Amino acid sequence: DQQVKQNSPSLSVQEGRISILNCDYTNSMFDYFLWYKKYPAEGPTFLISISSIKDKNEDGRFTVFLNKSAKHLSLHIVPSQPGDSAVYFCAATMEYGNKLVFGAGTILRVKS
Amino acid sequence: DTEVTQTPKHLVMGMTNKKSLKCEQHMGHRAMYWYKQKAKKPPELMFVYSYEKLSINESVPSRFSPECPNSSLLNLHLHALQPEDSALYLCASSQDLGSAANEKLFFGSGTQLSVL
Repeated sequence: DQQVKQNSPSLSVQEGRISILNCDYTNSMFDYFLWYKKYPAEGPTFLISISSIKDKNEDGRFTVFLNKSAKHLSLHIVPSQPGDSAVYFCAATMEYGNKLVFGAGTILRVKS
Repeated sequence: DTEVTQTPKHLVMGMTNKKSLKCEQHMGHRAMYWYKQKAKKPPELMFVYSYEKLSINESVPSRFSPECPNSSLLNLHLHALQPEDSALYLCASSQDLGSAANEKLFFGSGTQLSVL
């Protein structure tokens, strides 16, 4: 049973436009959420996180939105750049837990 | 130094072989992890070490044996693996356990393992 779901395996966006990556979760105990980015032949790298006490967190071009009632979060990248082309993983955990649960990932392609 | 270094990058082994994967970090992190990732699937947690002691074992078969010789090193010893164990094995570290702020994992680039 996948507790973190990324239903879009891939997304293609034009350079300069907005990329929106979506993530749904089923475990209501999750209260901390993270996005990781992965380039080929490299390990995932941390991108941005959000605690359940917030509904938005912004870091430069990256913004994560959390809708707790819908158990849904999204990552917005504005403006998208070709260097953003990568696999994006959504992950969730409980604040006092020790285990990250990852989604299956979304491949983002930004076309120039 | 914000790197987690894994060796080897690629490994091919037979089902009767014994091999080891190695992971090293020099960020002073006290928690280290092994994840397994099959193609087009999410990384799945295998083991967590905290302060050099095994903290979590996600019911991993005994043919995988982790070892944490010191706070900077993490090994994964492999013996009698099956072809279905072929995957990318990722090592990660974090400052500590028990706080969501410390769940920002630093990952290595992984070892791509093929079991023949």
